[in-house]
Amino acid sequence: KNQVEQSPQSLIILEGKNCTLQCNYTVSPFSNLRWYKQDTGRGPVSLTIMTFSENTKSNGRYTATLDADTKQSSLHITASQLSDSASYICVVRRQTGANNLFFGTGTRLTVIP
Amino acid sequence: DSGVTQTPKHLITATGQRVTLRCSPRSGDLSVYWYQQSLDQGLQFLIQYYNGEERAKGNILERFSAQQFPDLHSELNLSSLELGDSALYFCASGSGGDTGELFFGEGSRLTVL
Repeated sequence: KNQVEQSPQSLIILEGKNCTLQCNYTVSPFSNLRWYKQDTGRGPVSLTIMTFSENTKSNGRYTATLDADTKQSSLHITASQLSDSASYICVVRRQTGANNLFFGTGTRLTVIP
Repeated sequence: DSGVTQTPKHLITATGQRVTLRCSPRSGDLSVYWYQQSLDQGLQFLIQYYNGEERAKGNILERFSAQQFPDLHSELNLSSLELGDSALYFCASGSGGDTGELFFGEGSRLTVL
């Protein structure tokens, strides 16, 4: 069964600290994995995409990793800011099939001063 | 601004009623996706259209229907509304390419009283 699981469900950190969010998937055959950021009450916005051959990719203070062998991805946020408070959603695309996008339920991050 | 426009932004109605949500995709995008997000829940895939044709169906209730018109805008019709239908409804568009980035609208918040 194609599934995407994210952990933790929620996380509270102090401003300036780092954190790591996890995404495990069983989607196969794998095409790519995206991390989206969703501010409260807003639509999700893509942060980064990871393809099969990529291990690490950075976008400012966000660094995503992918281990295609263990089917795990992580999103590391460095020097967190209050504006990082949001839900982070992992979305895995399968190569085949009409319904080929699989969403995790997200990690809700709260950054406090 | 994602380039995806959804109307209305907010809608309050009574049980048993019918509503129509509208989505205009990004210029050039042929795919339109509809998602439902209940309070503090993940995004639930409802249905996808590609260039006017239904491409994939998720957990869409029989009381819900959608269509994509020749100008590529889409409408989601929700009928015989129940209290549990209260949610944020997001439309997303994409080019349909392999990278598969989705561009989300700001959502339509439906409240059923």
